[in-house]
Amino acid sequence: QKEVEQDPGPLSVPEGAIVSLNCTYSNSAFQYFMWYRQYSRKGPELLMYTYSSGNKEDGRFTAQVDKSSKYISLFIRDSQPSDSATYLCAMSRNTNAGKSTFGDGTTLTVKP
Amino acid sequence: DVKVTQSSRYLVKRTGEKVFLECVQDMDHENMFWYRQDPGLGLRLIYFSYDVKMKEKGDIPEGYSVSREKKERFSLILESASTNQTSMYLCASSVRGGSTDTQYFGPGTRLTVL
Repeated sequence: QKEVEQDPGPLSVPEGAIVSLNCTYSNSAFQYFMWYRQYSRKGPELLMYTYSSGNKEDGRFTAQVDKSSKYISLFIRDSQPSDSATYLCAMSRNTNAGKSTFGDGTTLTVKP
Repeated sequence: DVKVTQSSRYLVKRTGEKVFLECVQDMDHENMFWYRQDPGLGLRLIYFSYDVKMKEKGDIPEGYSVSREKKERFSLILESASTNQTSMYLCASSVRGGSTDTQYFGPGTRLTVL
């Protein structure tokens, strides 16, 4: 069983929709939770970063972590065609280890 | 801005060839990583390095080796390329012990082995 499971998608939504992307994990030692966005033919880039449980908001994006349920989510409000990409969740135990465990990614298409 | 560059965007090699993929980062990061990314399998860690001349196996090291002679440079070597090594290869770097565990990725090398 994988340490990190991500909703596989693909996901297709109309412009303006609210999008929910989700990951579950099994290792309770994870403390750092990241969301990366990867456009076609590019490397992933960090979108959101949270430490431990709680919510973090950045513009149209909200990252949510529920450590008790081992569940993380990324919400995108007022989705735009430019949000079309693959979204990868990632988690790590501590920054000294330097290693993150990635989900397989969810491909999102926002249709105009 | 952190910049991670990879030596080639696209590469075509023949079975049995020795292949070198090179990655360079310009932010003095201690950690460097090599992944391969395949549809349905996500990002899989091949090797990582947390210091010069240090290396650790990731989840799928078989058929690969790495070299880190300088802090900014991390090379992935396919000793004898095989068709099942056709993939997108991504290099990344990160700060060790920083306030976040963000990895900065290069643009990727799409390798085809014929």
